[in-house]
Amino acid sequence: GNSVTQMEGPVTLSEEAFLTINCTYTATGYPSLFWYVQYPGEGLQLLLKATKADDKGSNKGFEATYRKETTSFHLEKGSVQVSDSAVYFCALSDGTGFQKLVFGTGTRLLVSP
Amino acid sequence: KAGVTQTPRYLIKTRGQQVTLSCSPISGHRSVSWYQQTPGQGLQFLFEYFSETQRNKGNFPGRFSGRQFSNSRSEMNVSTLELGDSALYLCASSSLSYRVRGDEKLFFGSGTQLSVL
Repeated sequence: GNSVTQMEGPVTLSEEAFLTINCTYTATGYPSLFWYVQYPGEGLQLLLKATKADDKGSNKGFEATYRKETTSFHLEKGSVQVSDSAVYFCALSDGTGFQKLVFGTGTRLLVSP
Repeated sequence: KAGVTQTPRYLIKTRGQQVTLSCSPISGHRSVSWYQQTPGQGLQFLFEYFSETQRNKGNFPGRFSGRQFSNSRSEMNVSTLELGDSALYLCASSSLSYRVRGDEKLFFGSGTQLSVL
């Protein structure tokens, strides 16, 4: 079945450091890929998405490129801020069930001043 | 525009009881889905509704059920609660119709934290 694997956390960084959170997936067909973010006490918010190979999603300084050849969708940011501290989830949708997303286990990011 | 509203925010039940959770989607959204979030299993899909019809169901026992009303509000019910049902239950809504893929932007509520004692 479809699955998403993302790196274990927590990831601890100093402010202005470079961020990479790895995400790889297994899916049949051509899934859409997403990154969601969850701040403490809140629900998930869509951060960015990509719907086909080589697409780059970007938002708020975060970027991720849909790499079909390596089945990856790694999240990057050039300079993190304390306010970026949250849990980040990689997810895929195979299109067979419109709202049926398969999520990774989440990676907690802690950014210190 | 109000976001996705889930009630109650916290709930404490004992084993064997049943519980009903409520979700009001963003106004105009007709698709609603439910997810269970636990530290061990992460986020798992429960069900998806569109126009009062269940379109998809995850791999959960029959004790988990749901429904959607004509105003798009949704409820999920868990009967005969077990300790393992303790979780954060998240509801998400979307404005897009079923079978439209490629732009699945879900809006999540803050969830209902269920504790089973």
